[in-house]
Amino acid sequence: GAVVSQHPSRVICKSGTSVKIECRSLDFQATTMFWYRQFPKQSLMLMATSNEGSKATYEQGVEKDKFLINHASLTLSTLTVTSAHPEDSSFYICSAKVQDNQPQHFGDGTRLSIL
Amino acid sequence: AQSVTQLDSHVSVSEGTPVLLRCNYSSSYSPSLFWYVQHPNKGLQLLLKYTSAATLVKGINGFEAEFKKSETSFHLTKPSAHMSDAAEYFCVVSRGNTGGFKTIFGAGTRLFVKA
Repeated sequence: GAVVSQHPSRVICKSGTSVKIECRSLDFQATTMFWYRQFPKQSLMLMATSNEGSKATYEQGVEKDKFLINHASLTLSTLTVTSAHPEDSSFYICSAKVQDNQPQHFGDGTRLSIL
Repeated sequence: AQSVTQLDSHVSVSEGTPVLLRCNYSSSYSPSLFWYVQHPNKGLQLLLKYTSAATLVKGINGFEAEFKKSETSFHLTKPSAHMSDAAEYFCVVSRGNTGGFKTIFGAGTRLFVKA
């Protein structure tokens, strides 16, 4: 149980392209979903927290116009990297959880490479 | 303030020998504690969790961790390392307070297993 599916697993695209990443909880309803960015050999950096039907809460320093988050249902959240540039290349990971004191369940991540 | 410290950035063991990955935390409130494992280019997989029940927590793949409040520690152990255990391990603290629920990731410990 508690499977989170993240798609696509890998994206390679040209600078200026917008890229959408999907995160789905397959067998549970997630009250909260999280989006992380991970640089090589580093820990996860929380970008934003999203709750179904409300606006995402972005961490300090994360541009909300650059990283658009939509959480349309209890099982789906999307992250759109708008007009991506090479510095946006990274490993993006989503997670979801049912309630506050329970563990987060992670997707397999998306490797984004902007040329 | 809440924090989590993984005392070793990397640990190297021989196959068949015990594994010890150290984690200390600080929290003003009773925290929930988790250990996750991350294999290359993958998301995080939950190994085990502590949520104020038994202080010795058994997880998957033979791992276990002991919550020691007096030492503010939650070290991860395994009696005998396998080659497949080579990965990055993250200690995570999660707790609620008047400001909402916060999850803090440790910096990670890379485990190397030698044949």
